[in-house]
Formats: sequence, structure tokens, C-alpha cells
Amino acid sequence: DQQVKQNSPSLSVQEGRISILNCDYTNSMFDYFLWYKKYPAEGPTFLISISSIKDKNEDGRFTVFLNKSAKHLSLHIVPSQPGDSAVYFCAASYTGANSKLTFGKGITLSVRP
Amino acid sequence: GAVVSQHPSWVICKSGTSVKIECRSLDFQATTMFWYRQFPKQSLMLMATSNEGSKATYEQGVEKDKFLINHASLTLSTLTVTSAHPEDSSFYICSASLERSYGYTFGSGTRLTVV
Repeated sequence: DQQVKQNSPSLSVQEGRISILNCDYTNSMFDYFLWYKKYPAEGPTFLISISSIKDKNEDGRFTVFLNKSAKHLSLHIVPSQPGDSAVYFCAASYTGANSKLTFGKGITLSVRP
Repeated sequence: GAVVSQHPSWVICKSGTSVKIECRSLDFQATTMFWYRQFPKQSLMLMATSNEGSKATYEQGVEKDKFLINHASLTLSTLTVTSAHPEDSSFYICSASLERSYGYTFGSGTRLTVV
């Protein structure tokens, strides 16, 4: 049972435009969500996170939105840059789970120059 | 910021041999580290939670006798793949966190190929 779902396997965006990466979850106990960026043969790099007490968190070009009622979060990248091309993983955790993360399958973002 | 070092970055071994992967937290102490496995174009699957000074907690379906985890100090956890088989070939990644709000820091991963 996939508790964190990233239903779109890939996304292609023109440089300078907005990239919107979506993520859905099923476990209502999740209270902390993170986005990671990953290049092939490398470990994931932390991008941005959001607690369930918030509905938005912004860090530079990256903004994460959380809709708890819909169990949905999204990562917005604006403006998108070619260097943003990578696989993006959504992850979730909940208090009391020893802080372990549950990952989605990832979305491959391609930013076209 | 928190840095996690993982070694080796890649290893090729023969079937039946054992391989040890090290995960070190370089500038912080980690009472808990996590070991993940990733197959091509798949998600990162948590294998086990490594607890300093105690036994690791394995996820369902992960053989604890095959994937030995030792967390002997606050800065080092090791994963040993015992009696490796070709199906064990995968990308193994460790992570640790100083605090949840800082985000979990991942090692650079180890590409294991069993021939």
C-alpha cells in the first residue's frame, strides 16, 4: 500500500516557467512533509519541508503548499532553471514513528532551456 | 549543516561474499540512522532503523540476518550485506537527522553490484 503517492512520473517545463510537482498521501497521521531532489547515483538532497500546522512554506524559488483536508501537497519552483532537472521525491513522517520517512516514487523534472 | 558520509560509493562483489557499507555523521551525533534501498526508477524503501547501542529495527520483509546493521557509536552505522546474491544488487542509501525540522541528511549512496 503506497502511503505517499506521486502519480505523475515525469514533468517537462520551459525554463523560466513554473514547475508544479504534486504529492498525495493516505495516512492521516503524517504531520511532517519533505521534498528531496535527487540526481542519478547520488543521495537525495533536502529541499524544503512543511509541518502540518502550516499550509505554506517558502524558501527562495521553492514553495511547498499543504492541503490537509485533501491530503495533498505540492512543490512549486519558480522560475524553473535547467539545473532543476532531477528526480523529486515527496516524503512524509509522523510523530512517534521514530521519525522514519515514507517516500513517494518520485517525479522526473526536465527543464528545457 | 549536517553532513553524512557514506562509503564506499560503489562496490562489485562475487556471489556469496559479504559487503560492508559505512555511514558516518561527520559534524553531529546521530542516535538514529536509517538505511534505504532503491531499485531503478523506484522509490526509496526503508530497510531498517539503526539505533545507537541497541538492535536495529527492521521493516517488514527485510531479512535481519542478511542485512546486518551495527550502530556502535553516535557517528557510525554499518550495513553488512551477507552472502550477497545478484538480486541484492541495488543502490543503498543511509540517512541521519540532527533534528526533524532540519530535514534528514542523506549519504551519497552505495551502488552494489553482485556478480
